[in-house]
Amino acid sequence: QQPVQSPQAVILREGEDAVINCSSSKALYSVHWYRQKHGEAPVFLMILLKGGEQMRHEKISASFNEKKQQSSLYLTASQLSYSGTYFCGTYDYGGATNKLIFGTGTLLAVQP
Amino acid sequence: GAGVSQSPRYKVAKRGQDVALRCDPISGHVSLFWYQQALGQGPEFLTYFQNEAQLDKSGLPSDRFFAERPEGSVSTLKIQRTQQEDSAVYLCASSSGDSSSPLHFGNGTRLTVT
Repeated sequence: QQPVQSPQAVILREGEDAVINCSSSKALYSVHWYRQKHGEAPVFLMILLKGGEQMRHEKISASFNEKKQQSSLYLTASQLSYSGTYFCGTYDYGGATNKLIFGTGTLLAVQP
Repeated sequence: GAGVSQSPRYKVAKRGQDVALRCDPISGHVSLFWYQQALGQGPEFLTYFQNEAQLDKSGLPSDRFFAERPEGSVSTLKIQRTQQEDSAVYLCASSSGDSSSPLHFGNGTRLTVT
């Protein structure tokens, strides 16, 4: 089951804050966050582990609520370079495989 | 060291042709993933290797899709008798181990079937 992200898209002015949410219908043991710029490959931002601490990448931080099966990405004082599509990823522990399933994506556009 | 390398970067195939897409992962990475990404969509899982073993191929759309990683390093995704719906970007990613390890993506192969 693909994780669901909200919002689908957000437009910000430089310096504004944003929150991107990722919800799963399955129990979560870890959540990955990636950013993909247009025409480029997804780039790893951070991993949150069950029972782990809130993580940070520059001015981007994330939290993980195991009980609610949710993760949130917080972008503070956004910069133009933050523009792109953000994907969360959760592992589907089925059988012998550990496959990372990506969420529905959130398009973030930061304007001057 | 070098990142994940994919070739070709672009591929145009006529419907019905066979294509082979190559992925050279980061040296020493045991896990290798193939994803398909349609325009405006997120990456969709195709298949997963741990060393040379293909542990999951549940995402392959049909039996026209075949992937291998015979020596546990370079991988090839082959698509036989290509169809227009196969047009997409095919992304390869590798990681050093388990679910706490990040995926490192290649730049992808953009396949266009005419």
